Amino acid sequence: KQEVTQIPAALSVPEGENLVLNCSFTDSAIYNLQWFRQDPGKGLTSLLLIQSSQREQTSGRLNASLDKSSGRSTLYIAASQPGDSATYLCAARDQGGSEKLVFGKGTKLTVNP
Amino acid sequence: KAGVTQTPRYLIKTRGQQVTLSCSPISGHRSVSWYQQTPGQGLQFLFEYFSETQRNKGNFPGRFSGRQFSNSRSEMNVSTLELGDSALYLCASSLVQTYGYTFGSGTRLTVV
Repeated sequence: KQEVTQIPAALSVPEGENLVLNCSFTDSAIYNLQWFRQDPGKGLTSLLLIQSSQREQTSGRLNASLDKSSGRSTLYIAASQPGDSATYLCAARDQGGSEKLVFGKGTKLTVNP
Repeated sequence: KAGVTQTPRYLIKTRGQQVTLSCSPISGHRSVSWYQQTPGQGLQFLFEYFSETQRNKGNFPGRFSGRQFSNSRSEMNVSTLELGDSALYLCASSLVQTYGYTFGSGTRLTVV
């Protein structure tokens, strides 16, 4: 059974700092891994999608990496801004059986001006 | 291009009632999934539909059901509501397995 863990649960940084969010998963049989952002009371906004055959994806100040062999993904945010404050969720799309997304509990990021 | 649309945005229901939530996927997307989000349990998978067939179901009681129509729109129904059903219900659509999911804004259900 796939399990996804995100560390840390919460993170507070000053504006301008570069930061890394961690995500680990127990079963490497995945189609892809997706990073989302969720603002309070809102739905999920997709940030980056990494296919199982890829090592990383970049979008603007965001870079996500995937290491299937170790069951890890990281989301790197460069030059953080107060507008980046949100909860960041990673989700692995299972390959065997259900093909559902399995989510971590998220990392709540606060960027202080 | 329109995103995933969920209606209604907010609902308040009484214990014992039933509720129906609606989801319209992105045009062309045939896979629709539903998730429940609560502060304690996080995001949990409810079910997935593809071309009007339920492909997978999460570990939820039979009070939770859903369906998908020929135009890919989906509904989920919760009968005999309990206080613990209060949650944000999110719908997501996807093209195929190797594509990512796009989520709607969710329906906030409060059971009193």
